[in-house]
Amino acid sequence: GAVVSQHPSWVICKSGTSVKIECRSLDFQATTMFWYRQFPKQSLMLMATSNEGSKATYEQGVEKDKFLINHASLTLSTLTVTSAHPEDSSFYICSATRSGMSTDTQYFGPGTRLTVL
Amino acid sequence: GENVEQHPSTLSVQEGDSAVIKCTYSDSASNYFPWYKQELGKRPQLIIDIRSNVGEKKDQRIAVTLNKTAKHFSLHITETQPEDSAVYFCAVGGATNKLIFGTGTLLAVQP
Repeated sequence: GAVVSQHPSWVICKSGTSVKIECRSLDFQATTMFWYRQFPKQSLMLMATSNEGSKATYEQGVEKDKFLINHASLTLSTLTVTSAHPEDSSFYICSATRSGMSTDTQYFGPGTRLTVL
Repeated sequence: GENVEQHPSTLSVQEGDSAVIKCTYSDSASNYFPWYKQELGKRPQLIIDIRSNVGEKKDQRIAVTLNKTAKHFSLHITETQPEDSAVYFCAVGGATNKLIFGTGTLLAVQP
């Protein structure tokens, strides 16, 4: 149990376009979902925390108007990279915590590789 | 906020040897310390975790030790195998609902 999926697994887009990434908890309800960005050979950097039905909380230095997060249901959160540029190319990973369980344990999605040309 | 340091950044060991990776943190309110293994292009995989009311936890070849006074915790892998080769991340949580990750250690197990 506790499976998190992401779609797409990889995407290539042109500079200036927007890209939407979905994160789904397949077999549990997720109170909170997290979005991370990971550049090559670097660590996971938390971008934002989203709770179902409320606005996301962004980490310092992350532009909320560029990285739009919507958490419309207990099983789905989306990250939209607006007006993407080559420097946004990265591995985007979501995670989710299970409703009613410890908020420490995060279940990670498989990641989405974004390449902006 | 929380600051997590991880050492070493790279570690090469011979198959069968032990590997130790250490992390230090700054926030004394932190009380959850997981370790993740990440293979190239894959998701982080939780391999072991420890909470602040425990000093050591072991799962077969993997163990984690915690020194809350000194604010550091370590991952110990014994009898290393080539399939243990990966990037290992420590993380710190509990003070908030967020996990703060260490910088990662690339472990290479030479056959």
